[in-house]
Amino acid sequence: KNQVEQSPQSLIILEGKNCTLQCNYTVSPFSNLRWYKQDTGRGPVSLTIMTFSENTKSNGRYTATLDADTKQSSLHITASQLSDSASYICVVSAQAAGNKLTFGGGTRVLVKP
Amino acid sequence: DADVTQTPRNRITKTGKRIMLECSQTKGHDRMYWYRQDPGLGLRLIYYSFDVKDINKGEISDGYSVSRQAQAKFSLSLESAIPNQTALYFCATSDSWTGGPQHFGDGTRLSIL
Repeated sequence: KNQVEQSPQSLIILEGKNCTLQCNYTVSPFSNLRWYKQDTGRGPVSLTIMTFSENTKSNGRYTATLDADTKQSSLHITASQLSDSASYICVVSAQAAGNKLTFGGGTRVLVKP
Repeated sequence: DADVTQTPRNRITKTGKRIMLECSQTKGHDRMYWYRQDPGLGLRLIYYSFDVKDINKGEISDGYSVSRQAQAKFSLSLESAIPNQTALYFCATSDSWTGGPQHFGDGTRLSIL
């Protein structure tokens, strides 16, 4: 069964600090992996998308890594800001009709001043 | 204006009522999706459509139906609502070249009493 597990479920960090979120998946055959940011009361917004051959991708202060061998991804937030407070969702796409997606449960990040 | 617009944003209704959630997009994307989000769970796919004449069931389609009235419009219906359909519903779009949804609406919070 395809699964995406995210850790931690939640974390609190101080403004200006860095943090790293983890995503482990068992989706096969792998097509791509996305990280989304979801603000409270809003829809998810795509941060990065990586295919099998990509190891890292950045979007401003967000950097995602992918290790397709160990089926692990991470999202690193540098110099956190209050606006980074949100849920971060890892989504893995399988190579199949319709590119079936499996969503992780998300990591809720709270940035405190 | 938002690229993906969902109406209504909030709805409270009674068991057994018929409900329609509407979604319209200005992205010009061919693919549209309906997802459901429950607390602590990842988003789950209800239905998706790759073009106006294409409708596909997702992983949790029972109790739901959809209509793709035009490229820009995709509506979700609950023919006879039940309390366990209380959830946050998201519409999303993508173009034909990217795996998975790229743009989400801000969701419809549906409560069924």
